[in-house]
Amino acid sequence: ILNVEQSPQSLHVQEGDSTNFTCSFPSSNFYALHWYRWETAKSPEALFVMTLNGDEKKKGRISATLNTKEGYSYLYIKGSQPEDSATYLCAFYSGGGADGLTFGKGTHLIIQP
Amino acid sequence: DGGITQSPKYLFRKEGQNVTLSCEQNLNHDAMYWYRQDPGQGLRLIYYSQIVNDFQKGDIAEGYSVSREKKESFPLTVTSAQKNPTAFYLCASRDRGYSSPLHFGNGTRLTVT
Repeated sequence: ILNVEQSPQSLHVQEGDSTNFTCSFPSSNFYALHWYRWETAKSPEALFVMTLNGDEKKKGRISATLNTKEGYSYLYIKGSQPEDSATYLCAFYSGGGADGLTFGKGTHLIIQP
Repeated sequence: DGGITQSPKYLFRKEGQNVTLSCEQNLNHDAMYWYRQDPGQGLRLIYYSQIVNDFQKGDIAEGYSVSREKKESFPLTVTSAQKNPTAFYLCASRDRGYSSPLHFGNGTRLTVT
């Protein structure tokens, strides 16, 4: 079983502040890195799928970067708003014949007004 | 609107009984997945199916069974052999290919007493 680590486990941020968190994954056999946002009482929603080293993706105030050689991805949120409160999951796909993604435990983000 | 429907939302069963969780999608996706979430853990893959009449074990398949008789449907049976069946179960689907994101249902919370 592959090891995908997310840090920190939880994070409290003041509304308006910017924040970031990390996903670490094996640097070998890389195919793709997914980010999902999971709000309470809703289903997880895809934010980004990143496949190339050096990829940077942006959706509104949220952006992500990818370093496949060292095995990490950062997710950034600029000017946090209460609606950003959620658990952010990353998932690593290594191919190898298995079609499943290996998920990290998530970063639980709470935005304080 | 296209999406994934899981039912029921909450399910209660007595120990020793088999129970089947429903998952239906109208996204025309080939691949479907079952994940389990426990407190403090990442999503763990139970079974997945890339095409009708074919499915593969994930990381924690023991005590579970699935079928894929139709493209739209991927029911999960939690058998009495599953030692710790109480958990939150998520179904997902996606287009084939590692760069396609997962689309999730709203989940079923199973409690076995």
